[in-house]
Amino acid sequence: NAGVMQNPRHLVRRRGQEARLRCSPMKGHSHVYWYRQLPEEGLKFMVYLQKENIIDESGMPKERFSAEFPKEGPSILRIQQVVRGDSAAYFCASSPNARVVLNTEAFFGQGTRLTVV
Amino acid sequence: AQRVTQPEKLLSVFKGAPVELKCNYSYSGSPELFWYVQYSRQRLQLLLRHISRESIKGFTADLNKGETSFHLKKPFAQEEDSAMYYCALSGSGGSNYKLTFGKGTLLTVNP
Repeated sequence: NAGVMQNPRHLVRRRGQEARLRCSPMKGHSHVYWYRQLPEEGLKFMVYLQKENIIDESGMPKERFSAEFPKEGPSILRIQQVVRGDSAAYFCASSPNARVVLNTEAFFGQGTRLTVV
Repeated sequence: AQRVTQPEKLLSVFKGAPVELKCNYSYSGSPELFWYVQYSRQRLQLLLRHISRESIKGFTADLNKGETSFHLKKPFAQEEDSAMYYCALSGSGGSNYKLTFGKGTLLTVNP
């Protein structure tokens, strides 16, 4: 099992462009979580998805950010019209079931470092 | 609101010395506490959780509800322990999948 795979590892975008971050969960995992880490900060929860459903998007900025986890393929975090403040490390985690904390752990990817220039 | 505070951004010790990484939390209910570790160029991984009450790689952490702390300790640090350590909390109830992280402590163990 290759673990949670995120790509690209590094992404540079100019202000106003779109950023698409991909996350392939571990085999057998149908629950995906996205976290953002701004410079000098801890990881902050953004969104929790199951296959084809958004369960909790309470940590997502209201505008420009969206996430999906289609039936086939990786989960995608999309940031439209990026601004310098979007520069951060974006981490994805996956788990095999919903009660991630009590029954099992969430496995993290290596993250995507987005730089907006 | 839930919050995790790691007061030390950097911690440097010598090999064989005891090490303690501090973590304090704020949560109104019964939280679950975790320590995650990120070695250089590797992914974030779970080190230990308080409900397991186990020792991993010689590290232990005890949840002190009175002091709202979950400090990570190891009696004799090794060079391979050098890494970034994050304390994290999840609440009880339906949103327990949501982790709140501290800002992290970079531990350096010198030879």
